[in-house]
Order: sequence, then structure tokens, then C-alpha cells
Amino acid sequence: DAKTTQPPSMDCAEGRAANLPCNHSTISGNEYVYWYRQIHSQGPQYIIHGLKNNETNEMASLIITEDRKSSTLILPHATLRDTAVYYCIVRAGYSSASKIIFGSGTRLSIRP
Amino acid sequence: NAGVTQTPKFRILKIGQSMTLQCTQDMNHNYMYWYRQDPGMGLKLIYYSVGAGITDKGEVPNGYNVSRSTTEDFPLRLELAAPSQTSVYFCASSDSGASTDTQYFGPGTRLTVL
Repeated sequence: DAKTTQPPSMDCAEGRAANLPCNHSTISGNEYVYWYRQIHSQGPQYIIHGLKNNETNEMASLIITEDRKSSTLILPHATLRDTAVYYCIVRAGYSSASKIIFGSGTRLSIRP
Repeated sequence: NAGVTQTPKFRILKIGQSMTLQCTQDMNHNYMYWYRQDPGMGLKLIYYSVGAGITDKGEVPNGYNVSRSTTEDFPLRLELAAPSQTSVYFCASSDSGASTDTQYFGPGTRLTVL
């Protein structure tokens, strides 16, 4: 599985868009980009995933560059409840068990 | 639908003691996983299972054992607890092992070994 690089921490004002970057320059053609987040002491929570097209759901948007070497998770209107560690993960194409390899993530702080 | 449940929530063990961390899912998922998370770090895979009766090692399996006799349950066993096993343990499940499949996590078990 390709490795990812994320800034260790970021902050954002409440109500503004939070843009979390992720580099995955060694991503291969069948690897998906996933985002999870972990709110303090809780289990990780799935946010969104994509292959090459931009994706949007009720939680966030995922923008993947055309060369797929980087992506950005966008929380459109950040709230205090979005304070968490955000993990960007790339997962191989189908295998017997496509395991999630977590890095250190980005600690996002939302200020009032 | 409770999702993934884990018991206990907290536990303190003495060095050399043994215990079993319980994990149950009610989503009829074939794949189940055990992770540990040390303070300030990401999650590391301990063991995983692709179905009842089938288990395999992850990144950090030493000191642990698992079994999978039913689809629902995936207990993690610590035989001789060591301080290095102080961590938060998360169980997860997914419908398949495909890279497009989402893993659902339990609330975690916080274990301290003294």
C-alpha cells in the first residue's frame, strides 16, 4: 500500500471550510484514497473515499488531483464537533484482506 | 443494529496476567480486524480474519492470539501481559476485504498493564 504524508496539525475557524491536504505520490492505479477521522478516545469513523473522481457526501468532499498524487478533504462548514485527528489512507485493489494502514494523521482544531 | 461492540471498556492487568478482549458485530460482516493504538500514534493491525475459522497475522501479532469460531465474534487473547501492551485496542469489521469496502470500528478497550 502506498504511503501518505499529512501535516501533523491544522486549525480552522468555526463556520469556515477546513481543507486537509494529503500527499500520496506513490499511489498506484488500483489504490483508493480513504479518509477516516478519530474523535478523542473513540474508534475511527469513515468519512469518504475515492479513486480518481471528486466525491461528495453528507460529511465532506474529496478532491483528488488529476495525477492522483495528492488529495484534499474539505469539511465545508467546520464545527467544534469536527475537532479530531484525520487520517488519509490509500488502500490496494482487491486482496484477501485490504487492510487499513494508519499513519499519524492531521490533528484538526476548530476554534470558536 | 448495534454495529461493533467491545468489552470491557477499561481494564488494568498485572504483568503476566492473561485476559480476553471481546468483540462482536451484528452486521453479518465476513472480515474482522484487531488494531492497537499507542498514545499519539496511528492504529496498527494486530490480527485479522476473513471469515469464521480463518485468521491471519497483521503488523504486530506478537503476544496476542485470536480465534474466529463464529461470524459475529472475534476475541483477542493476551496470554502473558507485558507493559508494552498498554494501549487502546480497537476491533473493526467490514463486509468484504475489497479496497472499496468501509471498515466499521468499535469504541475501543483501554488496557493498562502494570
